[in-house]
Amino acid sequence: AQSVTQLGSHVSVSEGALVLLRCNYSSSVPPYLFWYVQYPNQGLQLLLKYTTGATLVKGINGFEAEFKKSETSFHLTKPSAHMSDAAEYFCAVTKGAAGNKLTFGGGTRVLVKP
Amino acid sequence: DTEVTQTPKHLVMGMTNKKSLKCEQHMGHRAMYWYKQKAKKPPELMFVYSYEKLSINESVPSRFSPECPNSSLLNLHLHALQPEDSALYLCASSQETAGTSTDTQYFGPGTRLTVL
Repeated sequence: AQSVTQLGSHVSVSEGALVLLRCNYSSSVPPYLFWYVQYPNQGLQLLLKYTTGATLVKGINGFEAEFKKSETSFHLTKPSAHMSDAAEYFCAVTKGAAGNKLTFGGGTRVLVKP
Repeated sequence: DTEVTQTPKHLVMGMTNKKSLKCEQHMGHRAMYWYKQKAKKPPELMFVYSYEKLSINESVPSRFSPECPNSSLLNLHLHALQPEDSALYLCASSQETAGTSTDTQYFGPGTRLTVL
Protein backbone atom coordinates (compact mmCIF):
# COMPACT_ATOMS: atom_id res chain seq x y z
CA ALA A 1 0.00 0.00 0.00
CA GLN A 2 1.16 3.49 -0.71
CA SER A 3 0.95 6.46 1.60
CA VAL A 4 1.97 10.08 1.78
CA THR A 5 3.11 11.99 4.85
CA GLN A 6 3.23 15.76 5.02
CA LEU A 7 5.32 17.04 7.89
CA GLY A 8 3.68 20.01 9.57
CA SER A 9 -0.05 20.62 9.36
CA HIS A 10 0.57 24.38 9.58
CA VAL A 11 3.43 26.52 8.27
CA SER A 12 3.78 30.24 8.88
CA VAL A 13 6.10 32.29 6.68
CA SER A 14 6.79 35.98 6.24
CA GLU A 15 6.07 37.61 2.92
CA GLY A 16 9.21 37.35 0.78
CA ALA A 17 10.62 34.40 2.73
CA LEU A 18 11.24 30.88 1.48
CA VAL A 19 8.29 28.49 1.48
CA LEU A 20 9.23 24.84 2.17
CA LEU A 21 6.55 22.17 2.44
CA ARG A 22 7.66 18.63 3.15
CA CYS A 23 6.26 15.46 1.62
CA ASN A 24 7.49 11.89 2.03
CA TYR A 25 5.98 8.88 0.34
CA SER A 26 6.09 5.17 0.81
CA SER A 27 5.41 3.05 -2.20
CA SER A 28 6.26 -0.45 -3.34
CA VAL A 29 6.40 0.72 -6.95
CA PRO A 30 7.82 3.88 -8.52
CA PRO A 31 5.30 6.57 -7.68
CA TYR A 32 3.86 9.44 -9.61
CA LEU A 33 3.75 12.48 -7.34
CA PHE A 34 1.57 15.56 -7.35
CA TRP A 35 1.22 18.81 -5.43
CA TYR A 36 -2.21 20.45 -5.34
CA VAL A 37 -3.28 23.76 -3.79
CA GLN A 38 -6.72 24.51 -2.37
CA TYR A 39 -7.76 28.10 -1.73
CA PRO A 40 -10.59 28.73 0.74
CA ASN A 41 -13.98 27.52 -0.50
CA GLN A 42 -12.52 26.25 -3.76
CA GLY A 43 -11.56 22.98 -5.40
CA LEU A 44 -8.03 21.72 -5.85
CA GLN A 45 -5.65 23.06 -8.47
CA LEU A 46 -2.56 21.24 -9.72
CA LEU A 47 0.70 23.03 -8.93
CA LEU A 48 3.05 20.44 -10.45
CA LYS A 49 3.64 16.74 -10.91
CA TYR A 50 6.50 14.30 -11.27
CA THR A 51 6.12 11.31 -13.56
CA THR A 52 9.49 10.45 -15.13
CA GLY A 53 12.60 12.25 -16.31
CA ALA A 54 13.99 15.38 -14.71
CA THR A 55 13.71 15.19 -10.95
CA LEU A 56 13.39 18.95 -10.47
CA VAL A 57 9.89 19.92 -11.52
CA LYS A 58 8.73 23.47 -12.03
CA GLY A 59 5.12 24.37 -11.58
CA ILE A 60 2.78 27.31 -11.61
CA ASN A 61 3.01 30.43 -9.42
CA GLY A 62 6.78 30.05 -8.94
CA PHE A 63 6.64 26.72 -7.12
CA GLU A 64 8.99 23.82 -7.75
CA ALA A 65 9.62 20.40 -6.23
CA GLU A 66 12.44 17.88 -6.35
CA PHE A 67 11.92 14.13 -6.46
CA LYS A 68 14.56 12.39 -4.34
CA LYS A 69 14.20 8.64 -4.58
CA SER A 70 16.93 7.96 -2.00
CA GLU A 71 15.03 10.05 0.55
CA THR A 72 11.53 9.08 -0.70
CA SER A 73 10.73 12.77 -0.69
CA PHE A 74 9.03 15.33 -2.92
CA HIS A 75 9.32 18.63 -1.06
CA LEU A 76 7.69 21.78 -2.46
CA THR A 77 9.49 25.13 -2.42
CA LYS A 78 8.99 28.71 -3.48
CA PRO A 79 11.83 31.21 -3.07
CA SER A 80 9.70 34.17 -2.06
CA ALA A 81 6.26 33.90 -0.45
CA HIS A 82 3.42 36.15 -1.54
CA MET A 83 0.28 36.91 0.40
CA SER A 84 -1.70 35.08 -2.29
CA ASP A 85 0.12 31.83 -1.41
CA ALA A 86 -1.96 31.47 1.74
CA ALA A 87 -3.84 28.23 1.15
CA GLU A 88 -3.93 24.49 1.91
CA TYR A 89 -1.38 22.38 0.06
CA PHE A 90 -1.75 18.65 -0.56
CA CYS A 91 0.87 16.19 -1.71
CA ALA A 92 -0.55 13.15 -3.49
CA VAL A 93 0.64 9.94 -5.09
CA THR A 94 -0.67 7.43 -7.61
CA LYS A 95 0.80 4.04 -8.20
CA GLY A 96 2.91 3.31 -11.25
CA ALA A 97 0.55 0.87 -12.88
CA ALA A 98 -2.72 1.79 -14.49
CA GLY A 99 -5.27 3.32 -12.22
CA ASN A 100 -5.84 6.95 -11.42
CA LYS A 101 -6.42 6.63 -7.70
CA LEU A 102 -4.91 9.61 -5.92
CA THR A 103 -3.83 9.13 -2.32
CA PHE A 104 -3.46 12.46 -0.51
CA GLY A 105 -1.30 13.50 2.40
CA GLY A 106 -2.90 15.21 5.36
CA GLY A 107 -2.33 18.69 3.96
CA THR A 108 -0.33 21.70 5.11
CA ARG A 109 -1.98 25.06 5.70
CA VAL A 110 0.26 27.98 4.80
CA LEU A 111 -0.13 31.32 6.53
CA VAL A 112 1.75 34.29 5.06
CA LYS A 113 2.54 37.15 7.42
CA PRO A 114 3.01 40.67 6.04
CA ASP B 1 -11.22 25.19 -21.25
CA THR B 2 -10.05 23.31 -18.16
CA GLU B 3 -13.18 23.85 -16.12
CA VAL B 4 -15.19 21.38 -14.15
CA THR B 5 -18.51 22.81 -12.99
CA GLN B 6 -20.58 21.60 -10.06
CA THR B 7 -24.12 22.44 -9.01
CA PRO B 8 -25.41 23.42 -6.59
CA LYS B 9 -22.69 25.29 -4.67
CA HIS B 10 -24.50 24.74 -1.38
CA LEU B 11 -27.13 22.22 -0.38
CA VAL B 12 -29.00 21.78 2.88
CA MET B 13 -31.12 18.66 3.22
CA GLY B 14 -32.95 16.68 5.82
CA MET B 15 -32.25 13.04 6.55
CA THR B 16 -35.35 11.93 4.66
CA ASN B 17 -34.76 14.02 1.54
CA LYS B 18 -33.59 12.86 -1.85
CA LYS B 19 -31.27 15.21 -3.71
CA SER B 20 -28.67 15.07 -6.46
CA LEU B 21 -25.30 16.70 -7.06
CA LYS B 22 -24.26 17.42 -10.62
CA CYS B 23 -20.87 17.69 -12.27
CA GLU B 24 -20.02 18.59 -15.85
CA GLN B 25 -16.86 18.86 -17.93
CA HIS B 26 -16.28 19.60 -21.61
CA MET B 27 -12.61 18.71 -21.87
CA GLY B 28 -13.23 15.36 -23.51
CA HIS B 29 -12.06 13.55 -20.40
CA ARG B 30 -13.14 9.93 -20.04
CA ALA B 31 -12.53 9.49 -16.31
CA MET B 32 -14.64 11.22 -13.67
CA TYR B 33 -14.43 11.09 -9.89
CA TRP B 34 -16.35 11.90 -6.73
CA TYR B 35 -14.45 12.86 -3.59
CA LYS B 36 -15.66 13.70 -0.10
CA GLN B 37 -13.74 16.27 1.93
CA LYS B 38 -14.40 16.90 5.60
CA ALA B 39 -13.22 20.14 7.20
CA LYS B 40 -9.43 20.36 7.64
CA LYS B 41 -8.96 16.95 5.99
CA PRO B 42 -7.73 15.80 2.57
CA PRO B 43 -10.20 14.64 -0.08
CA GLU B 44 -11.23 10.98 0.12
CA LEU B 45 -12.03 9.13 -3.07
CA MET B 46 -15.57 7.77 -3.30
CA PHE B 47 -16.14 6.66 -6.88
CA VAL B 48 -14.34 6.55 -10.24
CA TYR B 49 -16.01 6.25 -13.63
CA SER B 50 -13.92 5.26 -16.62
CA TYR B 51 -15.56 5.47 -20.06
CA GLU B 52 -18.93 5.85 -18.32
CA LYS B 53 -18.52 2.62 -16.36
CA LEU B 54 -18.04 2.49 -12.61
CA SER B 55 -14.47 1.29 -12.08
CA ILE B 56 -13.84 2.07 -8.40
CA ASN B 57 -16.24 2.16 -5.47
CA GLU B 58 -14.39 2.81 -2.24
CA SER B 59 -16.90 0.91 -0.10
CA VAL B 60 -19.22 3.90 -0.02
CA PRO B 61 -22.59 3.43 1.75
CA SER B 62 -25.52 2.77 -0.56
CA ARG B 63 -27.19 6.03 0.44
CA PHE B 64 -24.75 7.55 -2.08
CA SER B 65 -25.55 6.46 -5.64
CA PRO B 66 -23.39 7.66 -8.55
CA GLU B 67 -24.53 7.91 -12.12
CA CYS B 68 -22.69 8.77 -15.33
CA PRO B 69 -25.32 9.49 -18.03
CA ASN B 70 -22.70 10.38 -20.64
CA SER B 71 -19.01 11.22 -20.92
CA SER B 72 -19.52 14.85 -19.86
CA LEU B 73 -21.86 14.40 -16.90
CA LEU B 74 -21.57 12.84 -13.48
CA ASN B 75 -24.30 12.79 -10.86
CA LEU B 76 -24.32 11.79 -7.21
CA HIS B 77 -27.75 10.85 -5.90
CA LEU B 78 -28.28 11.27 -2.18
CA HIS B 79 -30.93 9.56 -0.08
CA ALA B 80 -31.41 9.11 3.66
CA LEU B 81 -28.16 10.79 4.55
CA GLN B 82 -26.82 11.20 8.05
CA PRO B 83 -25.49 14.40 9.67
CA GLU B 84 -21.97 12.95 9.50
CA ASP B 85 -22.27 13.03 5.71
CA SER B 86 -22.04 16.81 5.82
CA ALA B 87 -18.93 17.72 3.86
CA LEU B 88 -17.58 19.32 0.68
CA TYR B 89 -18.19 17.01 -2.28
CA LEU B 90 -15.67 17.45 -5.06
CA CYS B 91 -15.92 16.25 -8.61
CA ALA B 92 -12.84 15.77 -10.80
CA SER B 93 -12.06 14.58 -14.31
CA SER B 94 -9.00 13.35 -16.19
CA GLN B 95 -8.08 12.10 -19.64
CA GLU B 96 -7.79 8.39 -18.75
CA THR B 97 -4.72 7.61 -20.83
CA ALA B 98 -4.54 3.82 -21.08
CA GLY B 99 -1.99 2.03 -18.94
CA THR B 100 -0.90 5.00 -16.89
CA SER B 101 -1.85 6.90 -13.77
CA THR B 102 -0.03 10.13 -14.63
CA ASP B 103 -3.05 12.06 -15.86
CA THR B 104 -3.81 15.28 -14.07
CA GLN B 105 -7.14 15.37 -12.30
CA TYR B 106 -9.02 18.65 -12.71
CA PHE B 107 -11.28 19.51 -9.81
CA GLY B 108 -14.51 21.43 -9.64
CA PRO B 109 -15.22 23.98 -6.87
CA GLY B 110 -17.32 21.51 -4.92
CA THR B 111 -20.79 21.35 -3.39
CA ARG B 112 -20.95 22.09 0.32
CA LEU B 113 -23.55 19.73 1.75
CA THR B 114 -25.19 20.12 5.14
CA VAL B 115 -27.41 17.32 6.43
CA LEU B 116 -29.77 18.33 9.22
